[in-house]
Amino acid sequence: NAGVTQTPKFRVLKTGQSMTLLCAQDMNHEYMYWYRQDPGMGLRLIHYSVGEGTTAKGEVPDGYNVSRLKKQNFLLGLESAAPSQTSVYFCASSYSPHIQYFGAGTRLSVL
Amino acid sequence: EDQVTQSPEALRLQEGESSSLNCSYTVSGLRGLFWYRQDPGKGPEFLFTLYSAGEEKEKERLKATLTKKESFLHITAPKPEDSATYLCAVQANAGGTSYGKLTFGQGTILTVHP
Repeated sequence: NAGVTQTPKFRVLKTGQSMTLLCAQDMNHEYMYWYRQDPGMGLRLIHYSVGEGTTAKGEVPDGYNVSRLKKQNFLLGLESAAPSQTSVYFCASSYSPHIQYFGAGTRLSVL
Repeated sequence: EDQVTQSPEALRLQEGESSSLNCSYTVSGLRGLFWYRQDPGKGPEFLFTLYSAGEEKEKERLKATLTKKESFLHITAPKPEDSATYLCAVQANAGGTSYGKLTFGQGTILTVHP
């Protein structure tokens, strides 16, 4: 039982490049979330999903897109990376809108 | 707008020196207050959920308490392995459609010296 797995763990991009972050959970959770964590800002919600095939915007969605084609996977895409998107990205999942369980994070640098 | 403020930003303790971390919050109807532990380079790890004022929960050397405006995380006789960042978050009652939004504080960095 791996819980919440994020890939990749580290990535360096150049401005304007695109990439996809993958989050996979094996707990059969309905709810999945993408956060970013920046120094002094705390964790902020980017997008979330309340079930397979559904997505919605969180607090800071600009510049990101998401997809939830399968219940166990939640993808976060950056179409044209900007230096302001340098951050640590965390995925979380929960069975109901309650306790969220987090992955280990992806550290992204945009040069 | 829901807000969470944690204090102090950093706390240094000697092993065995008990202390408390504070989490002050404003929320439009509290559904739950959550404490997480985060080690460097890792994701937040769930510790406790508190639901109503007066509630207390314990786990090893940690005890979380809740009032209507704040929560405390008491650390009794801490050990170096308790060193981590402790995050507080609130979840509001959102009426009919709740997606479980958590509003996080900035965290308290706890360092326990041997």
